[in-house]
Amino acid sequence: GNSVTQMEGPVTLSEEAFLTINCTYTATGYPSLFWYVQYPGEGLQLLLKATKADDKGSNKGFEATYRKETTSFHLEKGSVQVSDSAVYFCALSGTGNQFYFGTGTSLTVIP
Amino acid sequence: DGGITQSPKYLFRKEGQNVTLSCEQNLNHDAMYWYRQDPGQGLRLIYYSQIVNDFQKGDIAEGYSVSREKKESFPLTVTSAQKNPTAFYLCASSITGSSGANVLTFGAGSRLTVL
Repeated sequence: GNSVTQMEGPVTLSEEAFLTINCTYTATGYPSLFWYVQYPGEGLQLLLKATKADDKGSNKGFEATYRKETTSFHLEKGSVQVSDSAVYFCALSGTGNQFYFGTGTSLTVIP
Repeated sequence: DGGITQSPKYLFRKEGQNVTLSCEQNLNHDAMYWYRQDPGQGLRLIYYSQIVNDFQKGDIAEGYSVSREKKESFPLTVTSAQKNPTAFYLCASSITGSSGANVLTFGAGSRLTVL
């Protein structure tokens, strides 16, 4: 079946630190992979996506590469800001228009 | 601007009452979804609908009901049979077809508290 496993949090970083949030997946077929971000009290917003192996999704300084050989889609950012504090979800979409989410990783960036 | 509107944003319910959460989209998406979010548990799928007048149970459908009479609307009723309904509820929609183009768009959520 399909599933997503992501790094447990919470993660606390100082401003300008490097961020990595690990995400691995199990899927049948060739899923699309996503990172969503959720700010307090809000819904989820798409951060970036990749639809096939070796694709790199990027947005707002965040990036993630679809690695089929390691079934991973790790989220990275070179220099985090206080405004990046949020909960980050890794997700995949498989056949039948179904979406599967990880449990979320809470990030706090301190000045 | 196109998007998904959920209402109400906050809702309080007494035990034994049914409540209905509204979800409306103007994105012309065929598929709509309801998720429940609890702290530390990520998102769990309650119901989804790929087309008008058709819907399927997700992983935690017990105690919930939905309807899909119009493409734009997918209301969720939390019934008194739901044992622990206090949670944050998220509605989402997507196009159907090529998996490469499918992206979930979310509403802002509704927080239900049972008193």
